[in-house]
Amino acid sequence: AQSVAQPEDQVNVAEGNPLTVKCTYSVSGNPYLFWYVQYPNRGLQFLLKYITGDNLVKGSYGFEAEFNKSQTSFHLKKPSALVSDSALYFCAVRDRGTYKYIFGTGTRLKVLA
Amino acid sequence: DVKVTQSSRYLVKRTGEKVFLECVQDMDHENMFWYRQDPGLGLRLIYFSYDVKMKEKGDIPEGYSVSREKKERFSLILESASTNQTSMYLCASSAGTSGQETQYFGPGTRLLVL
Repeated sequence: AQSVAQPEDQVNVAEGNPLTVKCTYSVSGNPYLFWYVQYPNRGLQFLLKYITGDNLVKGSYGFEAEFNKSQTSFHLKKPSALVSDSALYFCAVRDRGTYKYIFGTGTRLKVLA
Repeated sequence: DVKVTQSSRYLVKRTGEKVFLECVQDMDHENMFWYRQDPGLGLRLIYFSYDVKMKEKGDIPEGYSVSREKKERFSLILESASTNQTSMYLCASSAGTSGQETQYFGPGTRLLVL
């Protein structure tokens, strides 16, 4: 069965420092991978996705993610964190052969001023 | 601009009531989804629909039903609300069937069942 794991419930980082939010996946075949962000009392917003091609994917708000097939990871990164990046981040994988998307449990990012 | 709207932001219902949650998208998307979001559990798929009048069960369909009579509208029905259905409910839509599509989410409905 396809699955997504976000091993950290919370990540704390100082403003201006680089940030990483981790995601690993288990899929059969080539994965379609997504990152979404949720601000308080809001729905999820799309950040970026990996479909094929370049392993480094750039997305909204200065975020990027690196697809690593050998480590089955798709970690979200940003070179310099902002306090406004504080939010809940979800990694997701498309369950190929169905219409389903499988979401991780979410990682709360807290950027400290 | 892409838009998914949900009928209520907050809802309080009593145990045993029938509850309707409505979702409307204006993007002419084929696919629509209902999730519930609970702390520590992430998003769990309740039902999805890939066409008008078509529906498929997700991972946690028990206690829920859905209706999609028009392409833009997808309704989630709690037949007899119970306290364990207190949750945040998120609707989403996406276009196409390639698997590469982005999902667009509504703002969510926070449901409290007393």
